[in-house]
Formats: sequence, structure tokens, C-alpha cells
Amino acid sequence: KAGVTQTPRYLIKTRGQQVTLSCSPISGHRSVSWYQQTPGQGLQFLFEYFSETQRNKGNFPGRFSGRQFSNSRSEMNVSTLELGDSALYLCASSLARGVSYVTGELFFGEGSRLTVL
Amino acid sequence: GQQVMQIPQYQHVQEGEDFTTYCNSSTTLSNIQWYKQRPGGHPVFLIQLVKSGEVKKQKRLTFQFGEAKKNSSLHITATQTTDVGTYFCAGRQGGKLIFGQGTELSVKP
Repeated sequence: KAGVTQTPRYLIKTRGQQVTLSCSPISGHRSVSWYQQTPGQGLQFLFEYFSETQRNKGNFPGRFSGRQFSNSRSEMNVSTLELGDSALYLCASSLARGVSYVTGELFFGEGSRLTVL
Repeated sequence: GQQVMQIPQYQHVQEGEDFTTYCNSSTTLSNIQWYKQRPGGHPVFLIQLVKSGEVKKQKRLTFQFGEAKKNSSLHITATQTTDVGTYFCAGRQGGKLIFGQGTELSVKP
């Protein structure tokens, strides 16, 4: 079974630009979460999607947005990039059991490493 | 805000020594999960604890969940060089899975 696939793996942008990152979850997984990882801040929760609906959102500005498609694939977008947005962006998928969207273990992708110059 | 605090931030041990990382939350957690991230890699799930006071073991790793479901610990007995990496706890608060800052473990052979 293929794992979580994130594209692109590496990218370099300049301040003010925008970026879109893509995540394909494990087949059958309906929940996708996004995290920002930086050396000093650990993993910061961005958002979680299930059945094309945003179920939870972290404390990030509105420049950070995301969406989930009917095939469970997800994208996140960061507009008006700032230097501080340089980070590893991790996507994780999980099974959602029963009628509740509360999920179990997360399966992470390799991440998209964004550098903002 | 919702926070999960993890200490220590770094731990350097000699191979064969024990290692413990602690995780604390200001609010009650539905469950706690532990992940390991090797250098240059991505977090990999280790275990999930759900019940108050639960203790689970995986070979040399022992995981505990506090009675009040606000704290947890991971203890590694007789560390090996393969244990190197960052260990994260993650607590579910209000549906969100919030990660601690992680404990980076280095093991000197």
C-alpha cells in the first residue's frame, strides 16, 4: 500500500509570492491533517479535513488555507509568503472510524520543505 | 491556548543508559500518542494510550498515561544508537491532535 505522498518535496519562493502544496493520503484514509514543522516550534497544527470539510483549524493567519477534494487528496495554500513561513510542511492521513471524525494514528508524508527568500 | 508541554528539549546519553521524556497538558486529553522522528525523516507513530493510568510496553520502551489524563511519559531502557531521534507526544484536545515540542535524543556509542 502506497504511503502518504506530498509534492513538491522542495521549493524556493520569494517574499510576497504564494505557494500550493499537495498531499495524497493513503488509499482509504479520509482524514488529512497539515502541520508546520520548524526547529524552534516543533509541529504546529494547521488544519484537519474530513469528507471535504475543514474539521479543525490551528492558530495560523488567514494567509494559510486548505481544501480537500472528493478523492480525499488535499492541498494547502500560503499566500503573501513571509520569511517566517520557511518550514517543513507535513501532511498526515488517518482512518476516520464510524460516524465520528475523531481519528487514530497519523501516517505522515515526507513533507514539503519550503524556503522563502 | 491549547498546549502540550514536553521536557526535556534535548537529552544526550551514553549507550546503555536509560532515557525518559515527559509530556504535560493543562487540560484533560482524550488520548495521547507518541511518535518518533529520525533525523531527516518524518514522524512515525509508536503507540496510543487511551485509559487513565494506562501503561504499555514495546520491548525496551515503556509508555505511561497519567491518572488524570493530563500527563504522559516515555521511558527507554538501555538506549541503543538506533534510538536516536526526536520523540514527540501528541494529545487530542477538542478534536485537535496537538504535538509537544519534542525531545531530541542523542546516544553516544
